[in-house]
Amino acid sequence: AQKVTQAQTEISVVEKEDVTLDCVYETRDTTYYLFWYKQPPSGELVFLIRRNSFDEQNEISGRYSWNFQKSTSSFNFTITASQVVDSAVYFCALRMTTDSWGKLQFGAGTQVVVTP
Amino acid sequence: DVKVTQSSRYLVKRTGEKVFLECVQDMDHENMFWYRQDPGLGLRLIYFSYDVKMKEKGDIPEGYSVSREKKERFSLILESASTNQTSMYLCASSPGTDVNYGYTFGSGTRLTVV
Repeated sequence: AQKVTQAQTEISVVEKEDVTLDCVYETRDTTYYLFWYKQPPSGELVFLIRRNSFDEQNEISGRYSWNFQKSTSSFNFTITASQVVDSAVYFCALRMTTDSWGKLQFGAGTQVVVTP
Repeated sequence: DVKVTQSSRYLVKRTGEKVFLECVQDMDHENMFWYRQDPGLGLRLIYFSYDVKMKEKGDIPEGYSVSREKKERFSLILESASTNQTSMYLCASSPGTDVNYGYTFGSGTRLTVV
């Protein structure tokens, strides 16, 4: 069985604060992929990042950074110097290569609210 | 860019009606998916299709059916809509063989059943 847990339902910050979103996953597979998606108020989920299980390097893209720790089965996402445009629901997702259909298992999502 | 288009942004239907939600993708993707999104529950897979006329049940298929007569189009059908099917419905597509690829999503259809 696999499972993705996003324990934080909602995080509220003031603009320019940093915010970290937690994602913990469970899988027995040795090969898998992790994703983060952003869902702004418009509704469409937007792909942010993909990480495979063999690459534990952290990644930074502008104000976004991701910390993948296989030892703790976590793939956390940090927004540095948050902006109002970062207000959205963020989903973490897991995909296993043994699943030939490529299904993604999503967490419940974390609502981020950034106020000016 | 891949585009996934859902025909309606908002729908209001009556209990017992037959409801069709349409999804079209323009990138020749083999796989297509229907999810529903509810607060606190995230995205739950209803049905998916890996080829024309092929379909597989997801985690919550009860009360739903699907149709894929053409590769680019994947329809979700609520045979007899009920109020507990009020939700946001999201369609997605992905290439069939590239496991590196995630999904491309449509903008969603917010369905209200009254």
